[in-house]
Amino acid sequence: DTEVTQTPKHLVMGMTNKKSLKCEQHMGHRAMYWYKQKAKKPPELMFVYSYEKLSINESVPSRFSPECPNSSLLNLHLHALQPEDSALYLCASSQPLDRGRYGYTFGSGTRLTVV
Amino acid sequence: AQKVTQAQTEISVVEKEDVTLDCVYETRDTTYYLFWYKQPPSGELVFLIRRNSFDEQNEISGRYSWNFQKSTSSFNFTITASQVVDSAVYFCALSGLSGSRLTFGEGTQLTVNP
Repeated sequence: DTEVTQTPKHLVMGMTNKKSLKCEQHMGHRAMYWYKQKAKKPPELMFVYSYEKLSINESVPSRFSPECPNSSLLNLHLHALQPEDSALYLCASSQPLDRGRYGYTFGSGTRLTVV
Repeated sequence: AQKVTQAQTEISVVEKEDVTLDCVYETRDTTYYLFWYKQPPSGELVFLIRRNSFDEQNEISGRYSWNFQKSTSSFNFTITASQVVDSAVYFCALSGLSGSRLTFGEGTQLTVNP
């Protein structure tokens, strides 16, 4: 299995809703990431988990709450979002870059619309 | 600080033309990793290649080739005999040894017209 699976693929939520994005990988990667991508822009790093511990938080607003329940699963809990949070949310995983020939594997993303 | 510059915002070619996408990077790390990703309209980032800073060999994979020149801090990507299916946004990206942060360029929108 060489994939990162993200669910749901599309999500529409109101500003008072609570929802969660899910990301799963079974490649044995011990680093997992959340990126946010606005239209016509590159992905921007939000969070990094390394060995199930949060190692980087890029000053993301608290309405985004990440969780890493185990080495294969990464969640992003959403609460009280704003319309400007509408974007493509990408999950990625990686193995240490000094091993192997690859690096970061990205999921197909969740297209989030906040209304 | 790391920086990746893709000066070409949009490129439009006719099918079967060759096209080169430019990428220039800045880093103070002595060991680093360079990547190219393809993003079709569906949104998924598709891995194309990774190059280690200590390996300056150029690489060819089918119609794709990459030219890594450390002296000019460039990692350019050429598509030979382009096809309509090559239409996508292409991102060049850079990571340091720790691998904890992938820095992307702004991307180049490639349109291949039939």
